[in-house]
Amino acid sequence: EIVLTQSPGTLSLSPGERATLSCRASQSVSSGYLAWYQQKPGQAPRLVIYGASRRATGIPDRFSGSGSGTDFTLTISRLEPEDFAVYYCQQYGSSPPFTFGQGTKLEIK
Amino acid sequence: EEQLVESGGGVARPGGSLRLSCAASGFTFDDYGMSWVRQAPGKGLEWVSGIKRSGDTTAYADSVRGRFTISRDNVKNFLILQMNGLRAEDTALYHCARGFLGGPLDYWGQGILVTVSS
Repeated sequence: EIVLTQSPGTLSLSPGERATLSCRASQSVSSGYLAWYQQKPGQAPRLVIYGASRRATGIPDRFSGSGSGTDFTLTISRLEPEDFAVYYCQQYGSSPPFTFGQGTKLEIK
Repeated sequence: EEQLVESGGGVARPGGSLRLSCAASGFTFDDYGMSWVRQAPGKGLEWVSGIKRSGDTTAYADSVRGRFTISRDNVKNFLILQMNGLRAEDTALYHCARGFLGGPLDYWGQGILVTVSS
């Protein structure tokens, strides 16, 4: 089983600032099958990034993903008020279980 | 518009059973693998189970293997999760999601609450 470790656990920033979230895998994620999800209170998760770097439909271009192998990053270039949420990474490669990271809470400073 | 709507949750006793359903609409159901993901109160996301579009391949998290069974009806466009031998730690909001092997979870239902308590 691939274990995903996200850091930091909580990130406190102000609107307009840049956010950098990390996801580290215990073993290589095949074919870059790494996704990021955003979850707001009381809502279902929403796909933000898939294939490590591809934005999902309707996701603004201030969101970007990068990385390969075992180290992945989600960057939000200029935070908007609606971006404050919990973000999860997930690997969905060739071998289940398709584990999630424990989440990073992005909160307003 | 793609839509996933879960039903069948509720309260069950430890050792009991529940059957969750997910009605899919707005897309060609048998073109996609499907998954169940759960979230215990105040906790993170846990992938539970998935099934390929044809239904011939399934997978489970270690925590539910041997107790839960995933299936699908590609005629009526339903995803099913049969949960037996329920435990207190199965208490969670269960989401149906589109995606499985090699595919991200790109659409999610709002979830259905399962509570296991004596």
